[in-house]
Amino acid sequence: SQKIEQNSEALNIQEGKTATLTCNYTNYSPAYLQWYRQDPGRGPVFLLLIRENEKEKRKERLKVTFDTTLKQSLFHITASQPADSATYLCALDMVLGSTLGRLYFGRGTQLTVWP
Amino acid sequence: SQTIHQWPATLVQPVGSPLSLECTVEGTSNPNLYWYRQAAGRGLQLLFYSVGIGQISSEVPQNLSASRPQDRQFILSSKKLLLSDSGFYLCAWTSGARTEAFFGQGTRLTVV
Repeated sequence: SQKIEQNSEALNIQEGKTATLTCNYTNYSPAYLQWYRQDPGRGPVFLLLIRENEKEKRKERLKVTFDTTLKQSLFHITASQPADSATYLCALDMVLGSTLGRLYFGRGTQLTVWP
Repeated sequence: SQTIHQWPATLVQPVGSPLSLECTVEGTSNPNLYWYRQAAGRGLQLLFYSVGIGQISSEVPQNLSASRPQDRQFILSSKKLLLSDSGFYLCAWTSGARTEAFFGQGTRLTVV
C-alpha cells in the first residue's frame, strides 16, 4: 500500500529563517502532489499543487519542489513569520479516470516560528 | 462563491448510540465529496468518497457508512458508535481530479 512520510512531526525555527519541510512517499506514482495548512481545530486549507512534470512551483513566500525519481517533495517557507506557525500536510493525488481524484495525506509537520 | 457547511462542530455521544453527520456544499454542482477522519496526532484518513448521488466508495472497512441523497449533500452515519470512532471528522469537496480539496470546519466527535 502507499505510504507517505513527512520527515518530522515538529519543526521550530526563528522568525526570518527559511523553513523546509519534507514529504517522502513509497509504492506510489502520483500525478499530482499538494500541500495544505491546518490550524488547530480547523480543516486543512489548500496552499499549492505541483504536477509530476513540474520541478518547482512558487507562490509568494512559498516554494514546492517535486522529484519523482527520489519520490520526494520539499516545501519551503522563506522569511518565515510567527503567523506561519501551523501544521503542514502533504497530500498525494491518486487519479481514477478523468473525474475522480483521491487525496491521501501524510501526518503533517507542526511548524513553530518564534520571534 | 462555493462554500461547504459541516455540522455539528462538536459532539459527545455514548458508546452504542447512533451517529449522523451532515455536510452540504453550495455554489457548485456535481462535486466529488469526501469524508476524512483525523485521530489525535494522526494524519487524515480517507473514509468514503462519492462522485454522484447514491454512488459511495468505502476506503476502509469500519463501523461507519456514508450516503449521498442529493447532489450536494453527504452524510456520515453509524448505527452503534465505538470508542475508537472518536476523532475529528472532515468533509471535503473537489470539482474533479487534479484539483484542490476544500474542507469543512470539521466535527469533533468524542465517544464516551
